[in-house]
Amino acid sequence: AQRVTQPEKLLSVFKGAPVELKCNYSYSGSPELFWYVQYSRQRLQLLLRHISRESIKGFTADLNKGETSFHLKKPFAQEEDSAMYYCALSGGNTGFQKLVFGTGTRLLVSP
Amino acid sequence: ETGVTQSPTHLIKTRGQQVTLRCSSQSGHNTVSWYQQALGQGPQFIFQYYREEENGRGNFPPRFSGLQFPNYSSELNVNALELDDSALYLCASRPSGVNTGELFFGEGSRLTVL
Repeated sequence: AQRVTQPEKLLSVFKGAPVELKCNYSYSGSPELFWYVQYSRQRLQLLLRHISRESIKGFTADLNKGETSFHLKKPFAQEEDSAMYYCALSGGNTGFQKLVFGTGTRLLVSP
Repeated sequence: ETGVTQSPTHLIKTRGQQVTLRCSSQSGHNTVSWYQQALGQGPQFIFQYYREEENGRGNFPPRFSGLQFPNYSSELNVNALELDDSALYLCASRPSGVNTGELFFGEGSRLTVL
């Protein structure tokens, strides 16, 4: 079964502090992992994909197949990073059918 | 901004009623999927349509049905509404020729069932 676990409902940090939003997944094949973000009063949007291996808005995420994790990291949090973050998985072997989302982590960055 | 638009944004129904939610995606986005997001949860896949045919379905009963039209619009229909159907319903589209999980979401239709 495909499952995504985000253990923290809320992560509160001060501006300039490092941030790590945890994501663990369960999938028997080769998954494709994503982070989606929803800023206040905006729609859900893609932040980054593990395949592209790029840094978006200072955020990075590395797929660790041994630990089945895809944690999102940023060295210095900014107030504008405050948002709801969802980790998501799709089955890479059989082509895209659906995204399986975690329950989300709310990141609150205080000044 | 062009993108995925959904209507209505909010609606209230009573148990047993039927509802139709609508979505309009961008030109060239021939795959559309619908997700249900209950309060405090992540979005949950309902089904996906490609070229006007359903080609993937999540764990939802048959009273959840959909349609996709040639003009890139689509509908989600829910019959015999139950209280647990209260949720935010999200439409998401994907460009032609792209076979990844990079989806473009609408702002959602919030359904309340009383």
